[in-house]
Amino acid sequence: GENVEQHPSTLSVQEGDSAVIKCTYSDSASNYFPWYKQELGKGPQLIIDIRSNVGEKKDQRIAVTLNKTAKHFSLHITETQPEDSAVYFCAATETSYDKVIFGPGTSLSVIP
Amino acid sequence: DTGVSQNPRHKITKRGQNVTFRCDPISEHNRLYWYRQTLGQGPEFLTYFQNEAQLEKSRLLSDRFSAERPKGSFSTLEIQRTEQGDSAMYLCASSPLGDHSNEQFFGPGTRLTVL
Repeated sequence: GENVEQHPSTLSVQEGDSAVIKCTYSDSASNYFPWYKQELGKGPQLIIDIRSNVGEKKDQRIAVTLNKTAKHFSLHITETQPEDSAVYFCAATETSYDKVIFGPGTSLSVIP
Repeated sequence: DTGVSQNPRHKITKRGQNVTFRCDPISEHNRLYWYRQTLGQGPEFLTYFQNEAQLEKSRLLSDRFSAERPKGSFSTLEIQRTEQGDSAMYLCASSPLGDHSNEQFFGPGTRLTVL
C-alpha cells in the first residue's frame, strides 16, 4: 500500500517568512495529493490539493508543487502569519476507494 | 454551517465498557470514511462506506469494532470491550461521488479516553 513520509516534523519561522514542507510517496498509481491543516482539538481541514496531471497549484499565500517522476510534493506558505501555526499533513489517496494515507505531520510555529 | 458533525466530542469510559460514536456527513455525500488518530500521528484509515455498503475495512479494525451506515446517511462506530489502547481521536470524513470524489471533508472528531 501507499506510504507517505514528511519533513520536517517541526518548523519554526518568523512572521512574514516562508515555510516549506516536503513529502514523498511510494505508490506511483496515486493521483491525488491533498494537504490538511489541523488546529488543536479540531479535525483536519483541507487547505489545498493537487492532482497528478498538474505540476503546481497556487491559492493566495499557499502553493503546492508535484514531481511525479521523483514522487515528491511540497507545500509552500509565503508571508506567514501567527494564525498559520498548526499541524500540517500531506497525504496521498490510494486508488482503492480514495482512502487518504497521511504523512506524520509537521508542527508549524509562526513567531510574531 | 452544514459540515460533517460528530457526537459526542469527548468520551471517557472505563476499560471493558462499550462505546458508540455517531457521524453525520455533509448532506448528499455518498462516501463516508472513519479514521483513527493517536497523539502526534496522522490519521489512519479504518473503514469506508459508499451509501449503506461497507466496502473496505482496515486490518486496524479488530473484531471489537463495528461500523454501520444503515440508511446511507449517518454512520455509527461501536467499540466493544474497550481497551486502553483504543484511546484516540476518531475522525469521520465524507465526500461526494463524481468529479470531486477525492476531496474528503473531516468532522471535528470524537476523543476517546479509556481509563
